[in-house]
Amino acid sequence: DAGVIQSPRHEVTEMGQEVTLRCKPISGHDYLFWYRQTMMRGLELLIYFNNNVPIDDSGMPEDRFSAKMPNASFSTLKIQPSEPRDSAVYFCASSPGGTLAYEQYFGPGTRLTVT
Amino acid sequence: AQKVTQAQTEISVVEKEDVTLDCVYETRDTTYYLFWYKQPPSGELVFLIRRNSFDEQNEISGRYSWNFQKSTSSFNFTITASQVVDSAVYFCALSNDYKLSFGAGTTVTVRA
Repeated sequence: DAGVIQSPRHEVTEMGQEVTLRCKPISGHDYLFWYRQTMMRGLELLIYFNNNVPIDDSGMPEDRFSAKMPNASFSTLKIQPSEPRDSAVYFCASSPGGTLAYEQYFGPGTRLTVT
Repeated sequence: AQKVTQAQTEISVVEKEDVTLDCVYETRDTTYYLFWYKQPPSGELVFLIRRNSFDEQNEISGRYSWNFQKSTSSFNFTITASQVVDSAVYFCALSNDYKLSFGAGTTVTVRA
């Protein structure tokens, strides 16, 4: 079975541009998570969804960030406008429900560089 | 509030040595889960183990073993007979719901 798929793997953009990161979770997983990893702050949870519904977005840094999950197999994280401090690796993870609800499987990440 | 502390920032060993990674956690919850993830140089995060708060049995998986002690709020990870392929950043994490709180990570370098 395919793992979590993220695209693009690398993104370089200029300050002020809109950036969209994409994620396809593992089929059958009910939970989807977006994380950001930086040297300064480590791994931080930005937002997570259950059955396509956003449950907790308290980690979203500011209004420039938004996330959607229009269906069970696709999610996006958008930054508009982007700033240099948004440079980080963004991970998407998914998790099955039930007794394995707490086990998260991560995608390969998207390395974002904002110049 | 939940907190995970990995006091060791970096550990360097020679191949075949054992290495133990420390993880200390704080939580007010009685039900919680502890995890270890590996992040090799390629960057992906690989799930290694999950342990719930009611199961203090130690676990061994090949050269990996985990020691969970609720009395000291610790969940330590040992790699026995380390290999160069074990070189990675290792993260300990804590969850009482669906949100993972990660430690800062320990970078392990295994030299040939």
